Amino acid sequence: AQTVTQSQPEMSVQEAETVTLSCTYDTSESNYYLFWYKQPPSRQMILVIRQEAYKQQNATENRFSVNFQKAAKSFSLKISDSQLGDTAMYFCAFMNQGGSEKLVFGKGTKLTVNP
Amino acid sequence: EAQVTQNPRYLITVTGKKLTVTCSQNMNHEYMSWYRQDPGLGLRQIYYSMNVEVTDKGDVPEGYKVSRKEKRNFPLILESPSPNQTSLYFCASRNWGHTEAFFGQGTRLTVV
Repeated sequence: AQTVTQSQPEMSVQEAETVTLSCTYDTSESNYYLFWYKQPPSRQMILVIRQEAYKQQNATENRFSVNFQKAAKSFSLKISDSQLGDTAMYFCAFMNQGGSEKLVFGKGTKLTVNP
Repeated sequence: EAQVTQNPRYLITVTGKKLTVTCSQNMNHEYMSWYRQDPGLGLRQIYYSMNVEVTDKGDVPEGYKVSRKEKRNFPLILESPSPNQTSLYFCASRNWGHTEAFFGQGTRLTVV
């Protein structure tokens, strides 16, 4: 079974600084997808960034980028120029390519951006 | 507007009183799922459906039922709720061949 581990339950960063959230996963599959979801206090689940395992290039979405290390099964999220609106719970998630529609989530990292 | 709609948003109920949380999507998605979110545990899948009349258990299905009679709707049924089902529930849908899941707004359920 696939597992996703987020080792940082809570983190904080000063506004405008850079922060990196860690995620590791375990799978025997070779084709899969990885995601970072943001959950602000409104509880809405928002997709931040997505990475296909077959792509070597790291995904980037504006201030958000990932460091995908397939051999190490690591998928960290870097937030540059942190903003107050980035304060949220962040979940790393895994999904196999094909098969059942199942996102496997980590336990989450609560990020606080301080002014 | 493309969306997944859950109702109710908040619900307090008593042990043993049957309840249904509705989920509806207007994007014609094949895949629909239910997750529960608990502090320190992240989100865990309860049930999922690949299409009409096709449902299967996720990781934590005990105490829940689902049905998929229409493509747009995927209700979650708690026949006899217990306090350990107090949680935040999310419905999600996804289109075949696409990876992005769309989530509902969440339902905060408290069972006393």
